[in-house]
This record gives sequence, structure tokens and C-alpha cells, in this order.
Amino acid sequence: EAQVTQNPRYLITVTGKKLTVTCSQNMNHEYMSWYRQDPGLGLRQIYYSMNVEVTDKGDVPEGYKVSRKEKRNFPLILESPSPNQTSLYFCASSIGRGRVQGNQPQHFGDGTRLSIL
Amino acid sequence: QKEVEQDPGPLSVPEGAIVSLNCTYSNSAFQYFMWYRQYSRKGPELLMYTYSSGNKEDGRFTAQVDKSSKYISLFIRDSQPSDSATYLCAMSQGAQKLVFGQGTRLTINP
Repeated sequence: EAQVTQNPRYLITVTGKKLTVTCSQNMNHEYMSWYRQDPGLGLRQIYYSMNVEVTDKGDVPEGYKVSRKEKRNFPLILESPSPNQTSLYFCASSIGRGRVQGNQPQHFGDGTRLSIL
Repeated sequence: QKEVEQDPGPLSVPEGAIVSLNCTYSNSAFQYFMWYRQYSRKGPELLMYTYSSGNKEDGRFTAQVDKSSKYISLFIRDSQPSDSATYLCAMSQGAQKLVFGQGTRLTINP
């Protein structure tokens, strides 16, 4: 079954404590991205990756890091979380391969709800 | 002003009704238009994808794009309770940046 798997699904933590949200896809997709979803603001892109070792900033990258060492994994790292990063986070993937339409997110994970106290 | 505007609703209609969901946008460079459906506690799923202007039909769903008016629509015919979800419009100029509307929460009442 085609899947994008995020872990953890829920996390409550404190300001300044580094955390990583993992994302893995089993579809051999080239393009992966991270979004945050906030009430009234919709989904906003944090970072995206066109392929292994190729990452770039989205609209709201401040306070986040990503890496893409393997095609299937795209972890989101919060080095020093702050309360304004409390949100619902989604990882997404799509086939990529240089075609514009192939980069539109096709598969989303089920989300990670982060609460930073 | 947001690049993409979408009425958050909520919108409640009886089963069997035709539903019309809409988004307006300000960036005339947008060329790719998507609709996503998001059930509660789940990630969005791609429902419809349209390039440039025109209509696209898939079963009970029809997506329309009017670039001259900067207006896109999603129509759902013969709506079912299982269509109850939040519907997100999204659009982009090209390969990377996708801009989402804030979503419309739809309830279909049996």
C-alpha cells in the first residue's frame, strides 16, 4: 500500500528541547515536502526536496531544518522549538522526475500534532 | 491580501444536493490548480488537478478554472454524507511553490 508515514503522531514538549519528526514514503517518489497547518492560515510549505541531497526553503522555514540523505526519508528537525511552532505538520510526497505536475503533492501523511509549551 | 482566498464555511447541505466550492486568487501567474479533500484527523488527498483554464470532470466531481476572473470552482453532484470533509484549493506557478486556500468545511446531511 502506498504510504507516507509520519512519527510521532502527537507530541507535547517544552521550549528549547530539540525534536525530530520523521517522514518516510514507500513509493520511490523524488519530491517530498513539509507543511504546517494552522487555523485561518491553511497549509504553508516549510521545506521541500526535489531529490536526495537537494532541499530548499518554502514559505515559512524559520526555526526548522531538514535533510534528505535517502530517497525515502525526509525528517523535519526543530533545533530549539518555541511555542509559535505549535501546529499540525504534514509531510507529502509526489513522483517528481522534473515534470511540473509531478511535483504537486499527491500523498500526504496523516499529520503530526506538536504542542510546544 | 492573501494570494488565495477561500470561504472557510462551514457549509451544510442536504444529501443529493449540488455543492459548489470556490476560491479566488490574486496572482495571475498561477497555472496549476488543485483541489484536495481532507477528512478529520487525516492528511489531505489530491482530488482534482487542472492545468490552465477550462473544466475537468471525474465522476461526481467537476473542477472549473476561469483565469480571466481568477476564480476556480469545485462542483460535487449528488452529494453523499461521505463527502463531508474540508476541501482545500491550491495553486502554483510552477514546480515548487504551492499556495493553499484555508479550506472550506463541508457537511452533507442525510
